[in-house]
Amino acid sequence: GAGVSQTPSNKVTEKGKYVELRCDPISGHTALYWYRQSLGQGPEFLIYFQGTGAADDSGLPNDRFFAVRPEGSVSTLKIQRTERGDSAVYLCASSSGRSNYGYTFGSGTRLTVV
Amino acid sequence: TQLLEQSPQFLSIQEGENLTVYCNSSSVFSSLQWYRQEPGEGPVLLVTVVTGGEVKKLKRLTFQFGDARKDSSLHITAAQPGDTGLYLCAGAGYSGGSNYKLTFGKGTLLTVNP
Repeated sequence: GAGVSQTPSNKVTEKGKYVELRCDPISGHTALYWYRQSLGQGPEFLIYFQGTGAADDSGLPNDRFFAVRPEGSVSTLKIQRTERGDSAVYLCASSSGRSNYGYTFGSGTRLTVV
Repeated sequence: TQLLEQSPQFLSIQEGENLTVYCNSSSVFSSLQWYRQEPGEGPVLLVTVVTGGEVKKLKRLTFQFGDARKDSSLHITAAQPGDTGLYLCAGAGYSGGSNYKLTFGKGTLLTVNP
């Protein structure tokens, strides 16, 4: 597609539930990133994919968070046993290669855990 | 401790005024990017600066990368209401580390009043 697409745009879930957030990157972009942006903060790195593999998952806060990109295009961020502190905007971005001269971000998924 | 400090945090000015926002760090970055983010949207890349001392212009916006590659500034001439948004700086390659991971500041929220 023309841009990075994220679905859903908004998700409200109850504490303890499981959620999946989807990212469809720009066609042909091999690199895909997930960031999390809390209110009043800049985005914080979660995980980076180069192709199908997670090249760096050092930003995932704990083992409740997991992400996959099985065919090297669409990625899904999965959060188990959600907590209120997980509420944030989850941003996905893609870029064309290893050198980072700029990402294209999606509009994000606003996750609210009640 | 915030790796990238942005100042001011909030700025409200009248249309036609000039302004400068700053992004400072005690660490060296291989490149620095500026993004603008509007409510409900992901950050949009404005510019990437790579070389110490580099100056780039984008219409009424002038970006400068410090000689030591630790800081940057964004100057806007004759601000317009359309410039309103959250301006984020982001560094890559922190202290010689990986180039793909961005470290963001908290941003400067700019409001330009008509």
